[in-house]
Amino acid sequence: GIQVEQSPPDLILQEGANSTLRCNFSDSVNNLQWFHQNPWGQLINLFYIPSGTKQNGRLSATTVATERYSLLYISSSQTTDSGVYFCAARNAGGTSYGKLTFGQGTILTVHP
Amino acid sequence: GAVVSQHPSRVICKSGTSVKIECRSLDFQATTMFWYRQFPKQSLMLMATSNEGSKATYEQGVEKDKFLINHASLTLSTLTVTSAHPEDSSFYICSARRDRLAVNEQFFGPGTRLTVL
Repeated sequence: GIQVEQSPPDLILQEGANSTLRCNFSDSVNNLQWFHQNPWGQLINLFYIPSGTKQNGRLSATTVATERYSLLYISSSQTTDSGVYFCAARNAGGTSYGKLTFGQGTILTVHP
Repeated sequence: GAVVSQHPSRVICKSGTSVKIECRSLDFQATTMFWYRQFPKQSLMLMATSNEGSKATYEQGVEKDKFLINHASLTLSTLTVTSAHPEDSSFYICSARRDRLAVNEQFFGPGTRLTVL
């Protein structure tokens, strides 16, 4: 099945800093999603982005499907951005249709 | 946005009892729902995919008789952990896929923390 790798595994920032999180995937995808898991465990949808670029406030994401990677940008980070960021991808074909495979996550800590 | 609810949020039970967890898509219909398990400081692991009106598809290594899944309607899927044991203690998260034209986005419930004594 598809492999999803995220980097870095941990990231510590000072409030106001910018950051880039990376997600590499091993095969063609028809779904790629970024999530933020808050301290209570809830996964919050950030972006549905199998290709192209999207922006939502201080967050933006870019997926280059042909090169099999996606980037999540966080600008002017705030302490409330802390938590775990997951990338998840769905293979475009084969027997894994319908199933999202998750990366291991990036743990982001933003200090005031 | 799309909302997925999950109930209960937390359950503590004795070893040997069965626990049922409900997952509902509140504002959309979901032909396909998913059940995940997450251990502390780890990623989400897919347990099974449930399709409305048909049998669930379980991932390798997941016991079908242990984790019973029923997807009886387009808005409700249930996971029953039968004869729970301490090793079943975990965070269980459901997800529902909203299919809109070519966009098949998954939305997640808030999770159920199961503790088996």
